[in-house]
Amino acid sequence: KNEVEQSPQNLTAQEGEFITINCSYSVGISALHWLQQHPGGGIVSLFMLSSGKKKHGRLIATINIQEKHSSLHITASHPRDSAVYICAVGGGATNKLIFGTGTLLAVQP
Amino acid sequence: DGGITQSPKYLFRKEGQNVTLSCEQNLNHDAMYWYRQDPGQGLRLIYYSQIVNDFQKGDIAEGYSVSREKKESFPLTVTSAQKNPTAFYLCASNPGGALNEKLFFGSGTQLSVL
Repeated sequence: KNEVEQSPQNLTAQEGEFITINCSYSVGISALHWLQQHPGGGIVSLFMLSSGKKKHGRLIATINIQEKHSSLHITASHPRDSAVYICAVGGGATNKLIFGTGTLLAVQP
Repeated sequence: DGGITQSPKYLFRKEGQNVTLSCEQNLNHDAMYWYRQDPGQGLRLIYYSQIVNDFQKGDIAEGYSVSREKKESFPLTVTSAQKNPTAFYLCASNPGGALNEKLFFGSGTQLSVL
């Protein structure tokens, strides 16, 4: 079993829909990162959180440390949100970041 | 604008050849990282450096080498010993190397074998 599991692996939505991407992890962590990778490959950091909730524009990230689970929400989705969203956790025995395999999101107009 | 520059965007390697991927940052970050991305897998750490003239192996360092002679530069050499080099390579940095610091990424290099 992977230490970081994302769901769903693929997601297709219609423009305007509310989107949720989930991340579950099995190790103790000091921080969780949500990243966005656009076609072409560059990666942008969206959020880094260790507790609670953060919001930036239409994006909201939450984390439940006790349940070892985080969610990334996108409100009023738009085709430009189409990308791969990657969860990464920092901590555990190796003191390195462990990356999930990503969720491929396609928002159709 | 501050950021990380990777070059080239695409690189082709012949059998037995060593190739070097460039990574330069002007963010004044101490820590730099090299990751490998394969389809269907999470990013995997190749090497990292938290200070000039020092670097450590990551999870998949075999067949790769790095140097950190300047704070701004962290080139990765894919040697002929790396038998499956085809992948997307990403360079990243953060201010001090802590896991709870925001990561900054370059735009990546796609390496393919001829």
